[in-house]
Amino acid sequence: EVQLVESGGGLIQPGGSLRLSCAASGFTFSSHWMSWVRQAPGKGLEWVGNIKQDGSERYYVDSVKGRFTISRDNAKNSVYLQMNSLRAEDTAVYYCTRITGIWYFDLWGRGTLVAVSS
Amino acid sequence: DIQMTQSPSSLSASVGDRVTITCQASQDIKNYLNWYQQKPGKAPKLLIYGASILETGVPSRFSGSGSGTHFTFTISSLQPEDIATYHCQRYDDLPWTFGQGTKVEIK
Repeated sequence: EVQLVESGGGLIQPGGSLRLSCAASGFTFSSHWMSWVRQAPGKGLEWVGNIKQDGSERYYVDSVKGRFTISRDNAKNSVYLQMNSLRAEDTAVYYCTRITGIWYFDLWGRGTLVAVSS
Repeated sequence: DIQMTQSPSSLSASVGDRVTITCQASQDIKNYLNWYQQKPGKAPKLLIYGASILETGVPSRFSGSGSGTHFTFTISSLQPEDIATYHCQRYDDLPWTFGQGTKVEIK
């Protein structure tokens, strides 16, 4: 089955760190850019960042630059989001997404909730 | 950054009605626009890419049009299963941004 499954979310204190994982299956993972998109409670969608097929290029929204890092392991069909110096405004459901074509998110995981609170 | 203004923020329509949602870009984004459907408690789902190309498997009652700064998403005949929030998303340049979303309800 073609799917993305996120894990690693939870409750974390401000200033803390968390690493999200996304396991891909059912497609050739190494052929696709991958992305993380988040959605704060009751709010719209926000693109967080992208990573190229071989990991050589990564791009981020300004609000997470220097704090978040996207990485991938093509041998494990997985993409990761390392989140440091977390803030209350980072509270959201984080979706792992596959990028296809030029450029659209054609496959989404179910999401994992990150709650930043003391 | 280019801003996307989506309207209305919510709407209520009857089954069978034609529903139209618009997305306005603050600058020319050519046809670099996608539309997603998000049902309550679920992840978004791609419906349309490149402003007007229907994703495989998506019912033909959904359509998109527009280019430049003005885009339209249409449901030709609203069905009960179309209850969702619809999001536009531009990808002409980074950072990619989404509209605020339009919540569609049945009257």
